[in-house]
Amino acid sequence: SQTIHQWPATLVQPVGSPLSLECTVEGTSNPNLYWYRQAAGRGLQLLFYSVGIGQISSEVPQNLSASRPQDRQFILSSKKLLLSDSGFYLCAWSPEINQPQHFGDGTRLSIL
Amino acid sequence: AQTVTQSQPEMSVQEAETVTLSCTYDTSESNYYLFWYKQPPSRQMILVIRQEAYKQQNATENRFSVNFQKAAKSFSLKISDSQLGDTAMYFCAFMRGSRLTFGEGTQLTVNP
Repeated sequence: SQTIHQWPATLVQPVGSPLSLECTVEGTSNPNLYWYRQAAGRGLQLLFYSVGIGQISSEVPQNLSASRPQDRQFILSSKKLLLSDSGFYLCAWSPEINQPQHFGDGTRLSIL
Repeated sequence: AQTVTQSQPEMSVQEAETVTLSCTYDTSESNYYLFWYKQPPSRQMILVIRQEAYKQQNATENRFSVNFQKAAKSFSLKISDSQLGDTAMYFCAFMRGSRLTFGEGTQLTVNP
């Protein structure tokens, strides 16, 4: 069966520091991969999605970037974190477009 | 752009009773998919039910069922025989291609 792993679960970082959140999927090949951000008590906002290695689509202008160095690995990065980057970040995968997305357990990011 | 509206920020129901969560959406597309996701306090996003827009029959998944009214662009979720474990934030979501658009959520509390 397919599983998705996301880490770390919790992260506290100072303003201006770099960021790297990692997401991997097991048990499938060439998945569609997604990064979302969720503000407290709100819905999810799509940040990036990828349909293949090296293919990244950005949905909103921001301080973050994404990369897909391997088929089942999706990384969310920042060179310099801002206070506004705080939130709950969720990675998700789907086997193809128009299929349900399955989510990781999320990373709670706090910027001090 | 598609929008998803959940007009009930909070709802409560007694254990074993039935509750209906509302969702409306706006789109000019004719082919799309609709989902309900559940996010318990653990913050994991769990797929509850899905509906293909081209299917007239309402989806059912055990105690969960939907009332899909395509012309009215309405997609409500009915939970029968509510259980304490149903307490969670429920998100309605619209999918077209790779993009999944979420509503702001309804916090459901099941009372003993």
